Amino acid sequence: AQSVTQPDIHITVSEGASLELRCNYSYGATPYLFWYVQSPGQGLQLLLKYFSGDTLVQGIKGFEAEFKRSQSSFNLRKPSVHWSDAAEYFCAYSGSARQLTFGSGTQLTVLP
Amino acid sequence: EAGVTQFPSHSVIEKGQTVTLRCDPISGHDNLYWYRRVMGKEIKFLLHFVKESKQDESGMPNNRFLAERTGGTYSTLKVQPAELEDSGVYFCASSQDPRGRSPLHFGNGTRLTVT
Repeated sequence: AQSVTQPDIHITVSEGASLELRCNYSYGATPYLFWYVQSPGQGLQLLLKYFSGDTLVQGIKGFEAEFKRSQSSFNLRKPSVHWSDAAEYFCAYSGSARQLTFGSGTQLTVLP
Repeated sequence: EAGVTQFPSHSVIEKGQTVTLRCDPISGHDNLYWYRRVMGKEIKFLLHFVKESKQDESGMPNNRFLAERTGGTYSTLKVQPAELEDSGVYFCASSQDPRGRSPLHFGNGTRLTVT
């Protein structure tokens, strides 16, 4: 079955440290891949997307993600985390069914 | 441009009552989606409108849920009668492109609590 896996339910990092959030997908073809972020009381905001082409995509707020077909992964990275990055992060894909399939989310805590 | 707006932001109802959630998409977006996140679980697709037509309602959990989009503008999602397991956050999203390439713009969600 098609699915998205975010293996880390909760990650804690110190402010200024680097960050990598993992995402693996199970889908026969190359899907459209997305990372969304949800801050408390807010809706889901798109950080970045991958459709095709360059496998390293840049997003907003200094985030980037790399698509690795061989590993079926689309991990999100940021070189230096800010306290305002504390939020919940969702990986998602859109396949032939067109609607988004989400991972279970990773809650990020940033320590001062 | 105004974003996707949802009303109410919170709703607390008793089991057996009826609740109607409303979503106003971004103007000009023909595609409107409803999603739901039950506590601790993934965000799940409920259904997809293209204008006023239901394109895909495969995610609707049962016939207690009724979604409408009269006139192809705003949409409502009615739960009647509500059950405890319906508690969660209901998100609405809209987009321009139905092919999955256009990012979805999400509202802030409606937190529904059924007691």
